[in-house]
Amino acid sequence: EVQLLESGGGLVQPGGSLRLSCAASGFTFSAYYMSWVRQAPGKGLEWVSSFSNSGENTYYADSVRGRFTISRDNSEKMLYLQMNSLRAEDTALYYCAKSNWNAGGAFDIWGQGTVVTVSS
Amino acid sequence: DIVMTQSPDSLAVSLGERATINCKSSQSVLYRSNNKNYLAWYQQRPGQPPKLLISWASVRESGVPDRFSGSGSGTDFTLTISSLQAADVAIYYCQQHYGSPPYTFGQGTKLEIK
Repeated sequence: EVQLLESGGGLVQPGGSLRLSCAASGFTFSAYYMSWVRQAPGKGLEWVSSFSNSGENTYYADSVRGRFTISRDNSEKMLYLQMNSLRAEDTALYYCAKSNWNAGGAFDIWGQGTVVTVSS
Repeated sequence: DIVMTQSPDSLAVSLGERATINCKSSQSVLYRSNNKNYLAWYQQRPGQPPKLLISWASVRESGVPDRFSGSGSGTDFTLTISSLQAADVAIYYCQQHYGSPPYTFGQGTKLEIK
């Protein structure tokens, strides 16, 4: 079964750090772009970051560039998001998502998400 | 960045009737070289992650009922539900995945039963 399972969310103070993880199974992880998408409480979907399947290219939303770092371990089928200098506006449900082809594409598989709350 | 704008923000339709949601991109998402529109539609039911319904503007994902259809090209796109069912109550999002990220989403359209 194709599956993504996020972990690592929690409550953190403003200025703090968290590392999110996403474990993939059931597909050839190394062949696809992988991304993080977040959803603030009661709000819409916001694309956060993507990592190309080639391992050469990373992309970030302006709102997180310089604070968040995406990484992947193809041998372990893991995607990560290191989040530093967290702000209240980073509070959201963070989803891991798989693209449906090897040069980007729509997100055909999503995890259930992990909640990040930034508050003092 | 490409801005995606959906209309309406919310919609109430009677069971069995047609529902239409529009999505407009600030620049074309049509790749002339392969004649594909880099536009996707998602359904998000309450408490659930988004589900990909349609990719390449008009290609239904496996298992998606045929009452869902996507159309349009360039900058203007439409998601149509031909005969609304109770299970279709959800928020619907369009997303462009043209070129390299950012892959922006529309603001969402909330679909309810009238």
